[in-house]
Amino acid sequence: AAGVIQSPRHLIKEKRETATLKCYPISRHDTVYWYQQGPGQDPQFLISFYEKMQSDKGSIPDRFSAQQFSDYHSELNMSSLELGDSALYFCASSLTRDRGAYEQYFGPGTRLTVT
Amino acid sequence: QKEVEQNSGPLSVPEGAIASLNCTYSDRGSQSFFWYRQYSGKSPELIMSIYSNGDKEDGRFTAQLNKASQYVSLLIRDSQPSDSATYLCAVNTGGFKTIFGAGTRLFVKA
Repeated sequence: AAGVIQSPRHLIKEKRETATLKCYPISRHDTVYWYQQGPGQDPQFLISFYEKMQSDKGSIPDRFSAQQFSDYHSELNMSSLELGDSALYFCASSLTRDRGAYEQYFGPGTRLTVT
Repeated sequence: QKEVEQNSGPLSVPEGAIASLNCTYSDRGSQSFFWYRQYSGKSPELIMSIYSNGDKEDGRFTAQLNKASQYVSLLIRDSQPSDSATYLCAVNTGGFKTIFGAGTRLFVKA
């Protein structure tokens, strides 16, 4: 079965620009999570969506927004980019209804570099 | 105090030995616990999930959970050089939020 797909894999932006990251969850998974991981750091939870509704919110800056669409794919929109936004951005998905709820499977990540 | 704490390591073990990775968490209401392996520059890969007190074995991996002590561990038997990676402990604190520890770097020496 196909895993979580993220695009683009690499993205270079300048300060104050905007970026959109896309995530396509594993088929039948109903929950999507976004994480930010800086160099040498653990993944920081940003936001999650369950059945297209925001289900939880972590340390997501106000400059960022996200949504989940009817086909369950999700997009993370980042505006007024700052140098400190340079990081790996992971999307993960899970099938929340099962007993194995919250077992998250990660995509390969998008490496964002802000110059 | 961080919500999920791990010894950052590095933990170095010889090939064939048992590697023991530990994790403590602060939220007593946590119900779901996970171990992920992450190679440098790659995404976290789910190794084990555990929900009940006791041990759960899967191949060379054994997860141990003690909710009273708020402690979860991962044992890797017959460690291989390919096991060298950062191991992330993750705890679901309720709802859809999962908190990751900072990870323990493991080196398995050939």
